Amino acid sequence: GAVVSQHPSRVICKSGTSVKIECRSLDFQATTMFWYRQFPKKSLMLMATSNEGSKATYEQGVEKDKFLINHASLTLSTLTVTSAHPEDSSFYICSARPHRQSWSTEAFFGQGTRLTVV
Amino acid sequence: GNSVTQMEGPVTLSEEAFLTINCTYTATGYPSLFWYVQYPGEGLQLLLKATKADDKGSNKGFEATYRKETTSFHLEKGSVQVSDSAVYFCALSAETNAGKSTFGDGTTLTVKP
Repeated sequence: GAVVSQHPSRVICKSGTSVKIECRSLDFQATTMFWYRQFPKKSLMLMATSNEGSKATYEQGVEKDKFLINHASLTLSTLTVTSAHPEDSSFYICSARPHRQSWSTEAFFGQGTRLTVV
Repeated sequence: GNSVTQMEGPVTLSEEAFLTINCTYTATGYPSLFWYVQYPGEGLQLLLKATKADDKGSNKGFEATYRKETTSFHLEKGSVQVSDSAVYFCALSAETNAGKSTFGDGTTLTVKP
């Protein structure tokens, strides 16, 4: 159990276009999902916390108009990179915290999406 | 705020050597502690976890003990294999913001035959 699926796993897009990344919890409901970004050979930095049915909470320095997050259901959150530029190229990873385990601090990670903007 | 400090890498070992990767943390309250492994080009895999002081997490020969007195969660393995070559991340999740993870910088391990 507790499987999180991200799609696509890899995407190449042209500069100026928008790209949508999906994060799905396959066998549990998640009121909260998290989006991280990982630069090459670096650690994971939290971008935003996605809350089902409400606006996402962005970390300091993350452009909310650039990285649009939607959490329309208990099993799906999406991250849209708008007007992508080469500097947005990165590895994006989501995680989801099971709704039923309100006492738990563990979240489950997707396999990540490698975005390359050319 | 919360933070995780990991031993700097890269770490290069011969097969069957003993591995230690140090990890210390700063957090209020009683966070949960995790070790994740990332193989090249892949996402994160949970390696082991501990949710309270003196808990020992273990998996695939790896172990780590939650030491509140030293705020540490060092990763150990008695005999590494070439297949253990990967990047290892120490992370915490605080009680007050469950599910939100704070990561260390990662330690790259290379095991040579």
